[in-house]
Amino acid sequence: DAGVIQSPRHEVTEMGQEVTLRCKLISGHNSLFWYRQTMMRGLELLIYFNNNVPIDDSGMPEDRFSAKMPNASFSTLKIQPSEPRDSAVYFCASSLEDGAYGYTFGSGTRLTVV
Amino acid sequence: KNQVEQSPQSLIILEGKNCTLQCNYTVSPFSNLRWYKQDTGRGPVSLTIMTFSENTKSNGRYTATLDADTKQSSLHITASQLSDSASYICVVSALTGANNLFFGTGTRLTVIP
Repeated sequence: DAGVIQSPRHEVTEMGQEVTLRCKLISGHNSLFWYRQTMMRGLELLIYFNNNVPIDDSGMPEDRFSAKMPNASFSTLKIQPSEPRDSAVYFCASSLEDGAYGYTFGSGTRLTVV
Repeated sequence: KNQVEQSPQSLIILEGKNCTLQCNYTVSPFSNLRWYKQDTGRGPVSLTIMTFSENTKSNGRYTATLDADTKQSSLHITASQLSDSASYICVVSALTGANNLFFGTGTRLTVIP
């Protein structure tokens, strides 16, 4: 099993540009979580999907952020327009159901907005 | 307010020495507590998971303890190795709510030769 796969590993973009982060879940997992990690705030949950349906997006900072899960194995997190304060490492994690059996994290995407 | 606090924020120890990391939480109602290890540039990897009824759980040289009465957990690392250098994150799950995971900000451990 290749685990949770995120792309790109690093992204540097100019302020105002659109950024799309991608995540492929572990086969058989049905829950998908997007997290943002910064030095100041640690890991913060942005949005949580279960069976392709967004269950809780209360962590999404503002309307510039959107996430989709077009099928059971793939998700995207889009920031439009990006701002320097969006610079962080973005992780996705997948699990069976609500994570009672544990979460598997991807290696993250380091986003730098200049 | 549901919170998870870890201490120390950072720690430097000599290779071969033991160390203990602390996690205090106010999450309620409590479901379980996990310790994750996060190497630089990687995603967090689960070390242990403990439910309300479990006091201790080991994973190799890592031993986690849980005191649900005082809402405290510790992660003890025995005979540290250079590869133990990482951030250790305490994550507490609440029983209810879709957004039911609460993360500590981690302890940054550096093991030096």
